[in-house]
Amino acid sequence: DAGVIQSPRHEVTEMGQEVTLRCKPISGHNSLFWYRQTMMRGLELLIYFNNNVPIDDSGMPEDRFSAKMPNASFSTLKIQPSEPRDSAVYFCASSPGVEKLFFGSGTQLSVL
Amino acid sequence: GNSVTQMEGPVTLSEEAFLTINCTYTATGYPSLFWYVQYPGEGLQLLLKATKADDKGSNKGFEATYRKETTSFHLEKGSVQVSDSAVYFCALSPTGNQFYFGTGTSLTVIP
Repeated sequence: DAGVIQSPRHEVTEMGQEVTLRCKPISGHNSLFWYRQTMMRGLELLIYFNNNVPIDDSGMPEDRFSAKMPNASFSTLKIQPSEPRDSAVYFCASSPGVEKLFFGSGTQLSVL
Repeated sequence: GNSVTQMEGPVTLSEEAFLTINCTYTATGYPSLFWYVQYPGEGLQLLLKATKADDKGSNKGFEATYRKETTSFHLEKGSVQVSDSAVYFCALSPTGNQFYFGTGTSLTVIP
């Protein structure tokens, strides 16, 4: 299996632009998580889906952030408009349940 | 609520030194406990886990014991190598579906 695939690996954009991060979970996994990692706050859970349905989005920082999972093999995290304080590494992870979590390699986002 | 507190880094050790990274937790019920490792430029990978009190998780020379009485899950390794340089995250899962991570501890091992 190819593992969790995230794209792009790096994204540099200007403040105010829309940013879309993409994730393909491992086939057969029924849960998907989006995390944000910064030096100041460590690893924060933004949102997680179970069977394509958002279960907990309490970690989404504000309305500028939105996430979708239109099917079992694809999810997006969108930031519109982006701000410099959104600069971070964004990780997608998937799980088949039963306490197993598999991470992608992350997207390094820089908002100038 | 559920939370994990781990010792702040960074930690710098010489090769073959003994490693301890402290982790304590707060949880409702009886969670499973984990250590994840993040190598530079990569996502987190599961290092070891323990699912009940007094269980010991072990992998690649690393060990951690689930101590319910002290709500701790300290990571230890008897002799670190340069290749162990990474960021280590303690985590808990109360339900199997949600995971709560500590802030991570950066380890650098020097030859």
